[in-house]
Amino acid sequence: RKEVEQDPGPFNVPEGATVAFNCTYSNSASQSFFWYRQDCRKEPKLLMSVYSSGNEDGRFTAQLNRASQYISLLIRDSKLSDSATYLCVSNPEKLTFGTGTRLTIIP
Amino acid sequence: DAGVIQSPRHEVTEMGQEVTLRCKPISGHNSLFWYRQTMMRGLELLIYFNNNVPIDDSGMPEDRFSAKMPNASFSTLKIQPSEPRDSAVYFCASRQGSSNQPQHFGDGTRLSIL
Repeated sequence: RKEVEQDPGPFNVPEGATVAFNCTYSNSASQSFFWYRQDCRKEPKLLMSVYSSGNEDGRFTAQLNRASQYISLLIRDSKLSDSATYLCVSNPEKLTFGTGTRLTIIP
Repeated sequence: DAGVIQSPRHEVTEMGQEVTLRCKPISGHNSLFWYRQTMMRGLELLIYFNNNVPIDDSGMPEDRFSAKMPNASFSTLKIQPSEPRDSAVYFCASRQGSSNQPQHFGDGTRLSIL
């Protein structure tokens, strides 16, 4: 089993809608979790850290479920500019990336 | 502040040639990571250094790949001899402190081996 698994998508969502995707991790010792965003032909960029109590940054909400070993990302009022691949990351030390979920926001 | 700087941005070379990719981490960051990204395999960690010391190179595909970090501000990833299946985007990332801190990526080197 891969250490981090994501639904690759693609998710095609109309502008203004709410979209959510999950990422499961296998290492129960993982303490650090992040969501990165990667645009086509660009480098991954940090979107947000994921805290145990859940956290929000504008239209973005990240949550951690340790019992079920998954993290989630919720995007509200989606914008065209949210179209990208979203990578989740976990691992105590070397940060293991998921393969990414591709999101396309449709006008 | 300058981010992670990688060079070259693009490299096209014939198989069998030696390829050297370079990375300058963000000043003050004590961990450096080399990744390879392809459509088929996604983002794969090749090797990472902590305080210039290689910690985990289990992701290095084979002996043709080697990486060095002679000082805190410079690292190289070398492929010798290169093969067409090495074609990918190679990212370098750096991080300050422990694993609860995020990594910051360079722009990547797009490598094509003909």
